[in-house]
Amino acid sequence: SQQGEEDPQALSIQEGENATMNCSYKTSINNLQWYRQNSGRGLVHLILIRSNEREKHSGRLRVTLDTSKKSSSLLITASRAADTASYFCATADLDYGGATNKLIFGTGTLLAVQP
Amino acid sequence: ETGVTQTPRHLVMGMTNKKSLKCEQHLGHNAMYWYKQSAKKPLELMFVYSLEERVENNSVPSRFSPECPNSSHLFLHLHTLQPEDSALYLCASSQDPDRSNTEAFFGQGTRLTVV
Repeated sequence: SQQGEEDPQALSIQEGENATMNCSYKTSINNLQWYRQNSGRGLVHLILIRSNEREKHSGRLRVTLDTSKKSSSLLITASRAADTASYFCATADLDYGGATNKLIFGTGTLLAVQP
Repeated sequence: ETGVTQTPRHLVMGMTNKKSLKCEQHLGHNAMYWYKQSAKKPLELMFVYSLEERVENNSVPSRFSPECPNSSHLFLHLHTLQPEDSALYLCASSQDPDRSNTEAFFGQGTRLTVV
């Protein structure tokens, strides 16, 4: 079942600009993760934020989490053409018995960075 | 290179064929997953294996049959598929599904086309 929904579905920006993507989810979570996928290839893990964390940084990436609103955002600063990809949020569902690391993915945001 | 290898990368099969997708991970992980990615749809979790036991089957049609002979290998056996089964099939692994806050590592996927 779908958990996360990313917004916007597609985003086009110029190189050097910042890109912000949002994710909303429905149930209680253990953590929220962001992944990147280049066209037709596998997903690559970017960053994980725990449910008791509010903000996390990794290089040019900044992730926020608001559990009261059940939402997260991914900010990519000083974007590059190589950042062009689809970005997905995924939640590890607390309510799911057993496999607590079962990840449920959203529909993704397609980011295009124009050189 | 994520440490998760899928073969073949591309597969075209007829509706009456039988084929198998293979996934191998070299990360020492205990959990492996099959996901299906169709155009404009969220990733769908198909099967989860923990310590070689199937712990989750998300109501996948019986024409898809998983096999996990050991913690490093995962197969997806396909038979009498339908054209709507054409998709990118992604394998992933994680350290331990019962431990929270761990990321998933994905293979590059098998692009399956059913004709």
